[in-house]
Amino acid sequence: GESVGLHLPTLSVQEGDNSIINCAYSNSASDYFIWYKQESGKGPQFIIDIRSNMDKRQGQRVTVLLNKTVKHLSLQIAATQPGDSAVYFCAERRKGTALIFGKGTTLSVSS
Amino acid sequence: GAVVSQHPSRVICKSGTSVKIECRSLDFQATTMFWYRQFPKKSLMLMATSNEGSKATYEQGVEKDKFLINHASLTLSTLTVTSAHPEDSSFYICSAKGHTSTDTQYFGPGTRLTVL
Repeated sequence: GESVGLHLPTLSVQEGDNSIINCAYSNSASDYFIWYKQESGKGPQFIIDIRSNMDKRQGQRVTVLLNKTVKHLSLQIAATQPGDSAVYFCAERRKGTALIFGKGTTLSVSS
Repeated sequence: GAVVSQHPSRVICKSGTSVKIECRSLDFQATTMFWYRQFPKKSLMLMATSNEGSKATYEQGVEKDKFLINHASLTLSTLTVTSAHPEDSSFYICSAKGHTSTDTQYFGPGTRLTVL
């Protein structure tokens, strides 16, 4: 079935580096995308979202890029910090339905 | 952002018993609530969608008689795991969406269920 997935299950970076986490989606009808951060034993925490009529959105230290041509979503984290270590999920929403989550990428930041 | 709470945060029960998990929106009215299930090191799997005052819509493969969902008010939804078995052990997470918010789903902190 159609689903949202991530390219890499794990990503290890050094503190201060920029991190890029990728996600591929398959449903061209999806109109809204979100990145969530989940720490162990906790619920997902909203990071940043983007609608399908945009291709880039910036937040504080984070940027989301959307390429609808290849159905690709990425999350860029600038100056990654140890506190950024967590599992990151992309999620898509098809209009009128609930969010569907991808598989997750575990980001490990070493000092 | 909006706050969603869950209670309890952790619960251990014996096989055959039923467990109720509450999900509350603390500072907004949640017209729609969602229940997800998450296995260790896996993604969140949508179980059901509930709208206030109406029956929940369950995803394919989710037993509605086993996972009873009630959304009786605009701030409270409950998930009852009936006749729990060890395979029901999981992390259950709810999320809520208000009628004024077209997109944003706010997530609760999750409930860890362990069935012995």
